Amino acid sequence: EVHLVESGGDLVQPGGSLRLSCVGSGFTVSSNYMSWVRQAPGKGLEWLSVIYTGDRTQYADSVRGRFTISGDSSKNTLYLQMDRLRPEDTAIYYCARDAGPGGYFGYWGQGTLVTVSS
Amino acid sequence: EIVMTQSPATLSASPGERATVSCRASHSVSSNLAWYHQRPGQAPRLLMYDASTRATGIAARFSGSGSGTEFTLTISSLQSEDFGVYYCQQYTLWPRTFGQGTKVESK
Repeated sequence: EVHLVESGGDLVQPGGSLRLSCVGSGFTVSSNYMSWVRQAPGKGLEWLSVIYTGDRTQYADSVRGRFTISGDSSKNTLYLQMDRLRPEDTAIYYCARDAGPGGYFGYWGQGTLVTVSS
Repeated sequence: EIVMTQSPATLSASPGERATVSCRASHSVSSNLAWYHQRPGQAPRLLMYDASTRATGIAARFSGSGSGTEFTLTISSLQSEDFGVYYCQQYTLWPRTFGQGTKVESK
């Protein structure tokens, strides 16, 4: 059974950094399209980034240059390094795996909360 | 970026009633359109992909239609577990983009 568990969310000051982790089980993280999606409080879903075929990546304009997606195949884990955080980055961050040939998200973690505030 | 626009923002309906949510894309996405359902405090759940294919385990009362720029999700007879927020999402182009959501609430 596919399972995703995020961790690393915390309260951080504006301008600070944080690294989120997403551990996969029941499948191989590095063999799938893996994305990060966030949801600000009371708001909708925003796709942020994807990693696929090992090291190819895409980013949303809102995080390009500040966030970095990566994976560790030995730990079956996906990461999101978040730098230069802003208050508007406050959200629940979900990792998600594409289902089938890709593009839509068939599997989601439970999310981890990031709060950016002084 | 392809902008996805959903309507209505809120839909009030009673259990047993039919509910229809619309999604419009700013550019053609062919049939590369998915629908999700999210209950409060939970992660989204995939309902539909390729515009009209139900995901594994999704009840037959859910149906999807459309292609190009106009899409519809229909729930033929609302059940209590169907209330929540519905999102459409395109996967034709990067970045993947979601609609703003439609809240289906009990009348």
